[in-house]
Amino acid sequence: QKEVEQNSGPLSVPEGAIASLNCTYSDRGSQSFFWYRQYSGKSPELIMFIYSNGDKEDGRFTAQLNKASQYVSLLIRDSQPSDSATYLCAVNGRGATNKLIFGTGTLLAVQP
Amino acid sequence: GAVVSQHPSRVICKSGTSVKIECRSLDFQATTMFWYRQFPKQSLMLMATSNEGSKATYEQGVEKDKFLINHASLTLSTLTVTSAHPEDSSFYICSARSGVRTEAFFGQGTRLTVV
Repeated sequence: QKEVEQNSGPLSVPEGAIASLNCTYSDRGSQSFFWYRQYSGKSPELIMFIYSNGDKEDGRFTAQLNKASQYVSLLIRDSQPSDSATYLCAVNGRGATNKLIFGTGTLLAVQP
Repeated sequence: GAVVSQHPSRVICKSGTSVKIECRSLDFQATTMFWYRQFPKQSLMLMATSNEGSKATYEQGVEKDKFLINHASLTLSTLTVTSAHPEDSSFYICSARSGVRTEAFFGQGTRLTVV
């Protein structure tokens, strides 16, 4: 089982719709969860982070965390073509290096 | 968000030569820096983690003598690809984190082409 799993997609949604991106993780002791956006040929950009169970909203983005189910999601409301990118879920690993463990990413395509 | 600057953004070098990539945190002290490699249409692969003032911790399968990492100050880390070969051609990305925060910020990445 991979440490952080995401559906590779592509996830195709029409412009204006809600895009729902999902991620599961294997380490029940993980404490911090992140969503990054990566445009083709560019480096990842931090969108949101969440530490506590429940929802966290920032503009059109909502991160949801359920530690009991080891599940974290990202909702994008009113999706725009400019949101088309690969979305990477990352989880803070435990241990001395405390490194981020990334999923393989979900490609989102917003259709105009 | 915090700013991480990576230089150069693109480099072409001849096989057998060495290339140095710099990663700087511009507005915060980066106690930890991470170096990643990404091949086309693949996910990020962590190469090594470095903490300021100490030796880097390399991931399994990454040759520490080939990918030299130096993190001499709280704002600068360098990755040197020694004796580069065409198979080292990739997108190299650094990220930096301050000790008081858990989120990491990425540099712009360096596209290395070895000919």
